[in-house]
Amino acid sequence: DGGITQSPKYLFRKEGQNVTLSCEQNLNHDAMYWYRQDPGQGLRLIYYSQIVNDFQKGDIAEGYSVSREKKESFPLTVTSAQKNPTAFYLCASSPLDGNYGYTFGSGTRLTVV
Amino acid sequence: AQSVSQHNHHVILSEAASLELGCNYSYGGTVNLFWYVQYPGQHLQLLLKYFSGDPLVKGIKGFEAEFIKSKFSFNLRKPSVQWSDTAEYFCAVMGDSGGGADGLTFGKGTHLIIQP
Repeated sequence: DGGITQSPKYLFRKEGQNVTLSCEQNLNHDAMYWYRQDPGQGLRLIYYSQIVNDFQKGDIAEGYSVSREKKESFPLTVTSAQKNPTAFYLCASSPLDGNYGYTFGSGTRLTVV
Repeated sequence: AQSVSQHNHHVILSEAASLELGCNYSYGGTVNLFWYVQYPGQHLQLLLKYFSGDPLVKGIKGFEAEFIKSKFSFNLRKPSVQWSDTAEYFCAVMGDSGGGADGLTFGKGTHLIIQP
Protein backbone atom coordinates (compact mmCIF):
# COMPACT_ATOMS: atom_id res chain seq x y z
CA ASP A 1 0.00 0.00 0.00
CA GLY A 2 1.22 3.50 -0.79
CA GLY A 3 1.45 5.92 2.04
CA ILE A 4 3.50 7.96 4.46
CA THR A 5 5.34 6.46 7.38
CA GLN A 6 6.33 8.53 10.35
CA SER A 7 8.47 7.15 13.09
CA PRO A 8 8.52 6.87 15.96
CA LYS A 9 4.91 7.36 17.06
CA TYR A 10 5.97 8.64 20.50
CA LEU A 11 9.26 10.29 21.35
CA PHE A 12 10.60 11.57 24.62
CA ARG A 13 13.68 13.77 24.88
CA LYS A 14 15.42 15.79 27.51
CA GLU A 15 15.45 19.54 27.20
CA GLY A 16 18.45 20.81 25.26
CA GLN A 17 18.79 17.76 23.03
CA ASN A 18 18.26 17.75 19.30
CA VAL A 19 15.88 15.11 17.98
CA THR A 20 15.13 13.94 14.43
CA LEU A 21 11.70 12.79 13.29
CA SER A 22 11.50 10.47 10.32
CA CYS A 23 9.11 10.76 7.37
CA GLU A 24 9.13 8.40 4.40
CA GLN A 25 6.67 8.21 1.49
CA ASN A 26 6.26 5.70 -1.33
CA LEU A 27 3.67 7.68 -3.27
CA ASN A 28 6.19 9.15 -5.70
CA HIS A 29 5.07 12.62 -4.61
CA ASP A 30 7.38 15.50 -5.39
CA ALA A 31 6.30 17.74 -2.52
CA MET A 32 6.62 17.03 1.19
CA TYR A 33 5.64 19.06 4.24
CA TRP A 34 6.02 19.23 7.98
CA TYR A 35 3.24 20.61 10.18
CA ARG A 36 3.01 21.11 13.89
CA GLN A 37 -0.35 20.52 15.60
CA ASP A 38 -1.13 22.04 18.99
CA PRO A 39 -4.51 21.94 20.77
CA GLY A 40 -6.64 24.86 19.65
CA GLN A 41 -3.99 26.01 17.16
CA GLY A 42 -4.76 23.84 14.18
CA LEU A 43 -1.86 22.86 11.93
CA ARG A 44 0.98 25.23 11.28
CA LEU A 45 3.50 24.77 8.49
CA ILE A 46 7.12 24.34 9.56
CA TYR A 47 8.97 23.50 6.33
CA TYR A 48 8.15 22.20 2.89
CA SER A 49 10.06 20.85 -0.07
CA GLN A 50 9.07 20.68 -3.71
CA ILE A 51 12.17 18.96 -5.02
CA VAL A 52 15.18 17.03 -3.82
CA ASN A 53 17.91 19.16 -2.24
CA ASP A 54 15.61 22.17 -1.92
CA PHE A 55 13.22 23.26 0.84
CA GLN A 56 11.43 26.38 2.03
CA LYS A 57 10.58 27.79 5.44
CA GLY A 58 6.97 27.76 6.48
CA ASP A 59 5.26 29.94 9.06
CA ILE A 60 7.07 28.61 12.14
CA ALA A 61 10.50 27.40 10.95
CA GLU A 62 12.54 28.83 13.83
CA GLY A 63 14.20 26.10 15.88
CA TYR A 64 13.72 23.45 13.21
CA SER A 65 15.80 22.12 10.34
CA VAL A 66 15.12 19.70 7.47
CA SER A 67 16.90 17.91 4.65
CA ARG A 68 15.68 16.39 1.39
CA GLU A 69 18.44 14.16 0.09
CA LYS A 70 16.01 11.65 -1.41
CA LYS A 71 12.59 12.10 -2.96
CA GLU A 72 11.10 9.60 -0.52
CA SER A 73 12.46 11.08 2.69
CA PHE A 74 12.04 14.41 4.50
CA PRO A 75 13.38 14.20 8.08
CA LEU A 76 12.73 17.01 10.55
CA THR A 77 15.20 17.94 13.30
CA VAL A 78 13.84 19.72 16.33
CA THR A 79 16.79 21.62 17.71
CA SER A 80 17.48 22.88 21.21
CA ALA A 81 16.69 26.37 19.91
CA GLN A 82 12.99 25.51 19.61
CA LYS A 83 11.43 27.04 22.71
CA ASN A 84 8.29 24.90 22.93
CA PRO A 85 9.07 21.63 21.17
CA THR A 86 6.45 19.46 22.85
CA ALA A 87 3.79 18.94 20.18
CA PHE A 88 2.28 16.58 17.63
CA TYR A 89 4.20 16.63 14.35
CA LEU A 90 2.59 15.68 11.06
CA CYS A 91 4.31 14.95 7.77
CA ALA A 92 2.45 15.16 4.47
CA SER A 93 3.12 14.79 0.78
CA SER A 94 1.41 15.76 -2.45
CA PRO A 95 1.88 15.94 -6.18
CA LEU A 96 3.64 19.12 -7.17
CA ASP A 97 0.52 21.17 -7.91
CA GLY A 98 -1.01 20.27 -4.56
CA ASN A 99 -4.55 20.64 -5.85
CA TYR A 100 -5.53 17.09 -5.05
CA GLY A 101 -4.94 17.54 -1.37
CA TYR A 102 -2.25 16.15 0.80
CA THR A 103 -1.66 12.67 2.16
CA PHE A 104 -0.78 12.76 5.83
CA GLY A 105 1.24 10.42 7.99
CA SER A 106 -0.01 9.23 11.37
CA GLY A 107 2.17 11.70 13.24
CA THR A 108 4.84 11.73 15.93
CA ARG A 109 4.07 12.99 19.40
CA LEU A 110 7.19 14.59 20.83
CA THR A 111 7.46 15.27 24.54
CA VAL A 112 10.41 17.19 25.88
CA VAL A 113 11.01 16.88 29.60
CA ALA B 1 -1.11 35.85 2.79
CA GLN B 2 -4.03 33.50 3.15
CA SER B 3 -5.86 32.72 6.38
CA VAL B 4 -8.71 30.51 7.51
CA SER B 5 -11.20 31.04 10.30
CA GLN B 6 -13.37 28.30 11.76
CA HIS B 7 -16.24 29.68 13.76
CA ASN B 8 -16.71 27.02 16.41
CA HIS B 9 -13.95 25.31 18.34
CA HIS B 10 -16.26 22.81 20.01
CA VAL B 11 -19.61 21.50 18.83
CA ILE B 12 -21.76 18.94 20.62
CA LEU B 13 -24.71 17.35 18.84
CA SER B 14 -27.02 14.41 19.32
CA GLU B 15 -27.17 11.59 16.79
CA ALA B 16 -29.40 12.34 13.77
CA ALA B 17 -29.02 16.09 14.22
CA SER B 18 -27.98 18.18 11.23
CA LEU B 19 -24.50 19.61 11.14
CA GLU B 20 -23.03 22.78 9.72
CA LEU B 21 -19.46 23.83 10.49
CA GLY B 22 -18.46 27.30 9.40
CA CYS B 23 -15.30 28.19 7.54
CA ASN B 24 -14.27 31.56 6.16
CA TYR B 25 -11.06 32.36 4.38
CA SER B 26 -9.19 35.41 3.26
CA TYR B 27 -7.18 35.46 0.07
CA GLY B 28 -7.04 37.93 -2.77
CA GLY B 29 -7.21 35.49 -5.67
CA THR B 30 -8.49 32.12 -6.74
CA VAL B 31 -8.47 29.50 -4.01
CA ASN B 32 -8.64 25.77 -3.62
CA LEU B 33 -10.54 24.68 -0.52
CA PHE B 34 -10.45 21.53 1.54
CA TRP B 35 -12.01 19.90 4.56
CA TYR B 36 -9.98 17.34 6.48
CA VAL B 37 -11.10 15.10 9.33
CA GLN B 38 -9.04 13.57 12.12
CA TYR B 39 -10.77 10.73 13.95
CA PRO B 40 -9.48 9.91 17.44
CA GLY B 41 -6.10 8.23 17.15
CA GLN B 42 -6.07 8.34 13.37
CA HIS B 43 -4.29 10.41 10.77
CA LEU B 44 -5.80 13.32 8.88
CA GLN B 45 -8.03 12.30 5.99
CA LEU B 46 -9.40 14.36 3.14
CA LEU B 47 -13.19 14.72 3.36
CA LEU B 48 -13.74 16.80 0.27
CA LYS B 49 -12.18 19.50 -1.87
CA TYR B 50 -13.16 22.29 -4.18
CA PHE B 51 -11.07 23.91 -6.86
CA SER B 52 -13.46 24.69 -9.72
CA GLY B 53 -16.90 23.94 -11.15
CA ASP B 54 -20.01 23.19 -9.12
CA PRO B 55 -19.70 25.11 -5.84
CA LEU B 56 -21.57 22.34 -4.01
CA VAL B 57 -19.12 19.50 -3.51
CA LYS B 58 -19.84 16.10 -2.05
CA GLY B 59 -17.32 14.14 -0.07
CA ILE B 60 -17.03 10.88 1.77
CA LYS B 61 -19.37 9.65 4.50
CA GLY B 62 -22.28 11.86 3.44
CA PHE B 63 -20.52 15.19 3.95
CA GLU B 64 -20.89 18.10 1.58
CA ALA B 65 -19.66 21.67 1.44
CA GLU B 66 -20.73 24.76 -0.43
CA PHE B 67 -18.33 27.36 -1.74
CA ILE B 68 -19.88 30.82 -1.63
CA LYS B 69 -17.40 33.14 -3.27
CA SER B 70 -19.19 36.35 -2.27
CA LYS B 71 -19.01 35.35 1.38
CA PHE B 72 -15.52 33.82 1.25
CA SER B 73 -17.05 30.77 2.88
CA PHE B 74 -16.81 27.01 2.55
CA ASN B 75 -19.14 25.55 5.18
CA LEU B 76 -19.28 21.83 5.83
CA ARG B 77 -22.67 20.14 6.19
CA LYS B 78 -24.18 16.76 6.93
CA PRO B 79 -27.96 16.21 7.18
CA SER B 80 -27.83 13.55 9.90
CA VAL B 81 -24.75 12.90 12.02
CA GLN B 82 -23.73 9.61 13.57
CA TRP B 83 -21.75 8.82 16.69
CA SER B 84 -18.84 7.79 14.44
CA ASP B 85 -18.58 11.37 13.15
CA THR B 86 -16.97 12.39 16.43
CA ALA B 87 -13.67 13.88 15.32
CA GLU B 88 -11.66 17.04 14.74
CA TYR B 89 -12.52 18.85 11.49
CA PHE B 90 -10.15 21.21 9.73
CA CYS B 91 -10.86 23.63 6.93
CA ALA B 92 -7.87 24.46 4.71
CA VAL B 93 -7.12 26.81 1.85
CA MET B 94 -4.51 26.93 -0.85
CA GLY B 95 -4.12 30.02 -2.97
CA ASP B 96 -4.08 29.11 -6.64
CA SER B 97 -0.94 30.99 -7.53
CA GLY B 98 0.18 28.30 -9.94
CA GLY B 99 2.70 26.88 -7.53
CA GLY B 100 0.26 25.01 -5.36
CA ALA B 101 2.71 22.91 -3.47
CA ASP B 102 3.75 25.69 -1.13
CA GLY B 103 1.64 24.74 1.83
CA LEU B 104 -1.98 24.47 2.83
CA THR B 105 -3.15 26.96 5.43
CA PHE B 106 -5.37 25.34 8.04
CA GLY B 107 -7.99 26.69 10.36
CA LYS B 108 -7.71 25.97 14.08
CA GLY B 109 -10.14 23.10 13.86
CA THR B 110 -13.55 22.24 15.25
CA HIS B 111 -13.87 19.44 17.75
CA LEU B 112 -17.17 17.70 17.05
CA ILE B 113 -18.69 15.40 19.67
CA ILE B 114 -21.75 13.35 18.80
CA GLN B 115 -23.72 12.05 21.76
CA PRO B 116 -25.58 8.75 21.35
